[in-house]
Amino acid sequence: QLQLQESGPGLVKPSETLSLTCSVSGASISSTTYYWGWIRQPPGKGLEWIGSFSHSGTTYYSPSLKSRVTISVDTSKNQFSLKLSSVTAADTAVYFCAKTVAGLYFDYWGQGTPVTVSS
Amino acid sequence: ETVMTQSPATLSVSPGERATLSCRASQSVSSNLAWYQQKPGQAPRLLIYGASTRATGIPARFSGSGSGTEFTLTISSLQSEDFAIYYCQQYDYWPPRYTFGQGTKLEIK
Repeated sequence: QLQLQESGPGLVKPSETLSLTCSVSGASISSTTYYWGWIRQPPGKGLEWIGSFSHSGTTYYSPSLKSRVTISVDTSKNQFSLKLSSVTAADTAVYFCAKTVAGLYFDYWGQGTPVTVSS
Repeated sequence: ETVMTQSPATLSVSPGERATLSCRASQSVSSNLAWYQQKPGQAPRLLIYGASTRATGIPARFSGSGSGTEFTLTISSLQSEDFAIYYCQQYDYWPPRYTFGQGTKLEIK
């Protein structure tokens, strides 16, 4: 049974860096079939793709967030992480990690973790 | 960047009736279109991919159609558990990019 679980601080101060980790069980993030990524959802709003990576470790970022986003991978722990720098209140959202099939659609999602940006 | 527009924003339908949700792309996305269902406090659930293929475990009352720029999600006979928000999403093969619509809230009439 494939499962994804997000973890990280629920409160981040403005101008600081948001850091989250996604722990994966039931599948290897090194699999050549899958891509993995991050999506966020501000309160009461829709879904926004943040970025993804492939089995080779190549990363792909949303053009609107590219200057502030870094996704890194720890294959030994079967985890991947998100860092979003210089956060503002507009980055307050529920952050989801998810798996895609061949980099297409998201078929498995974590439960999501809420992050609030506030002093 | 491809913009996805869903209509209507809110759809009120009675249980047992048919619901038809629309999604339009600002440029052709071929059949690279997925639909998700999201209930309050939950992660989205994949319903349809490739514009018309049901995901594993999705009931047959859910169907998707369309290609290019116009897409439709149809729920043939609404059950109580179908009242939720529905999102469409397009995917670009290269480089991998994903854009979601703003969602349609399906509510009980």
